[in-house]
Amino acid sequence: QSVLTQPPSVSGAPGQRVTISCAGTISNIGTGYDVHWYQQLPGTAPKLLIYGSTERPSGVSDRFSGSKSGTSASLAISGLQAEDEGDYYCQSYDNGLSGSIFGGGTKLTVL
Amino acid sequence: QVQLNQWGAGPLKPSETLSLTCAVYSASFSRYYWSWIRQPPGKGLEWIGEVNYSGSTDYNTSLESRVTISVDTSKNHVSLKLTSVTAADTAVYYCARVAALGSSGWYFDYWGQGTLVTVTS
Repeated sequence: QSVLTQPPSVSGAPGQRVTISCAGTISNIGTGYDVHWYQQLPGTAPKLLIYGSTERPSGVSDRFSGSKSGTSASLAISGLQAEDEGDYYCQSYDNGLSGSIFGGGTKLTVL
Repeated sequence: QVQLNQWGAGPLKPSETLSLTCAVYSASFSRYYWSWIRQPPGKGLEWIGEVNYSGSTDYNTSLESRVTISVDTSKNHVSLKLTSVTAADTAVYYCARVAALGSSGWYFDYWGQGTLVTVTS
């Protein structure tokens, strides 16, 4: 059971927009800690997609955007492409556990 | 440019010690913390712990009694040791650079290629 809760799967057709939620608690996201997102394509290491809840690293497409409100955060992917298929993880810090925590991951399928 | 290249021995038998090394190619090695993260087959990511240039460490409380993360500053190497392994420790292990956001937490901006460690009798 992950401390951050993500839907196991989402799907969308090419060109559509999908969102992936990440639900936390008052001991992590709700305390004010930022949320970060990673994309893991099949057979590869995770890649940083969004940091600081809303910031994109250099080289990441502007089709990816992040938001945070209260005890939860979301990753939005617009203009879905087949190459976006993979797993997406949110990550934050938890006061009670005194360490980094991850969501359970969401598998994105492009129909 | 930052590159992380990792390696380690496997497979392991239950009760043995897992040992992995991560070579960091970065001019700013001393300015960052370096973490280990693992991913059991078909499952999600789990933070194991981190170390900085001076050897200061933080560990996941669920693994703390079995984990040691250390740094060799002469080689820019970060090492992971996990004792008394069981089948539950079978996973892909990643090293990663920690990028801090001050009081807002931190994230992992560069990752190694991953090393699969299998524990089997």
